[in-house]
Amino acid sequence: ETGVTQTPRHLVMGMTNKKSLKCEQHLGHNAMYWYKQSAKKPLELMFVYNFKEQTENNSVPSRFSPECPNSSHLFLHLHTLQPEDSALYLCASSQEENSNNEQFFGPGTRLTVL
Amino acid sequence: GENVEQHPSTLSVQEGDSAVIKCTYSDSASNYFPWYKQELGKRPQLIIDIRSNVGEKKDQRIAVTLNKTAKHFSLHITETQPEDSAVYFCAAENYGQNFVFGPGTRLSVLP
Repeated sequence: ETGVTQTPRHLVMGMTNKKSLKCEQHLGHNAMYWYKQSAKKPLELMFVYNFKEQTENNSVPSRFSPECPNSSHLFLHLHTLQPEDSALYLCASSQEENSNNEQFFGPGTRLTVL
Repeated sequence: GENVEQHPSTLSVQEGDSAVIKCTYSDSASNYFPWYKQELGKRPQLIIDIRSNVGEKKDQRIAVTLNKTAKHFSLHITETQPEDSAVYFCAAENYGQNFVFGPGTRLSVLP
């Protein structure tokens, strides 16, 4: 599928590793989001970028570090994670204008921290 | 901030029956209410949404109703089919804020 893509789709890492998740949107949107989806929990918003500027950091631990080099790309850098960080990480994008709009989700990265 | 509750957490219906999922929200300023469907192993996808200036919206077998006074909105699926089996998430948003999602409802449509 096109629209919003994420790589890798699956990632297994140790607690001392450093890895990065990548998201790319091909929709011409100006806002991008990182969500964490854990079992039996609501989708948790982590970070929001509007026009490449971070506008939201939802009390996320510093071991998660986002980067938005342009309006089409979003990264999530991971280091010294904990086993409880294992989850599905979803990227989304939307066109923020003068009204609320649909968020388009990527397929997610299934992260397992050993 | 906004808080969204969703009920039931699981729902099983017979094929052909109707399913109703209800969400409540706390922020009276919220004005956009989307519903997402997430099939097993797939991404959430928007199935229907409603804005605060409308009380009801319908798209084929799916409808959403909004009661702003009571601060609740509901998803109605009629003539359910096995492919409707998925997790459904509601969300509420006040423009300029961010989506707050409900915890999800796992719908199973039994043949």
